[in-house]
Amino acid sequence: AQSVSQHNHHVILSEAASLELGCNYSYGGTVNLFWYVQYPGQHLQLLLKYFSGDPLVKGIKGFEAEFIKSKFSFNLRKPSVQWSDTAEYFCAVIPYSGGYQKVTFGTGTKLQVIP
Amino acid sequence: DVKVTQSSRYLVKRTGEKVFLECVQDMDHENMFWYRQDPGLGLRLIYFSYDVKMKEKGDIPEGYSVSREKKERFSLILESASTNQTSMYLCASSKGGGTASTGELFFGEGSRLTVL
Repeated sequence: AQSVSQHNHHVILSEAASLELGCNYSYGGTVNLFWYVQYPGQHLQLLLKYFSGDPLVKGIKGFEAEFIKSKFSFNLRKPSVQWSDTAEYFCAVIPYSGGYQKVTFGTGTKLQVIP
Repeated sequence: DVKVTQSSRYLVKRTGEKVFLECVQDMDHENMFWYRQDPGLGLRLIYFSYDVKMKEKGDIPEGYSVSREKKERFSLILESASTNQTSMYLCASSKGGGTASTGELFFGEGSRLTVL
């Protein structure tokens, strides 16, 4: 079964600092990759996704992620964080196949941005 | 705007009580899911359904059951609530399987259950 690791559980940054959140997965086949974000008091929502093509994908609010197949990684980045980026971030993996697709989530990374 | 609606945002129940959590989606999605979210554990899949009246166990189904009588509605049932089921419960839906499906999940606001 696939698994997802997010090694940073809690990250504290000052505004304007650069962000990189790690995500590694274990699955030998082709995968679809996602980052979801949960702002305080809100529901989980999609930040960005990778299916195929350019391994550097851009999402909402200036976030981007790079898929490195050889490293089984899909790290999330933002050049300059804002206080409003304070949230919990989840990486998720789906094996690419027909039929039902089971989503596996990482344990999440809480980001706190200090003004 | 797509919407997944969970019937209760906050519930407080006593040990042994039966608990119903309901979820409705308006996107005509085939797949529906129930997760629980606990600090440090991320999201863990309880049950999912890929069609009406169909259900499959997820990673932590013990102590839970589900019902899907209509495509848009997916209910989570705790037959006899216990304190270790105190958690945030998230419902989600996604478009049906096959290569055309992206697997993107759409989530509800969550139902925070406290069992005393």
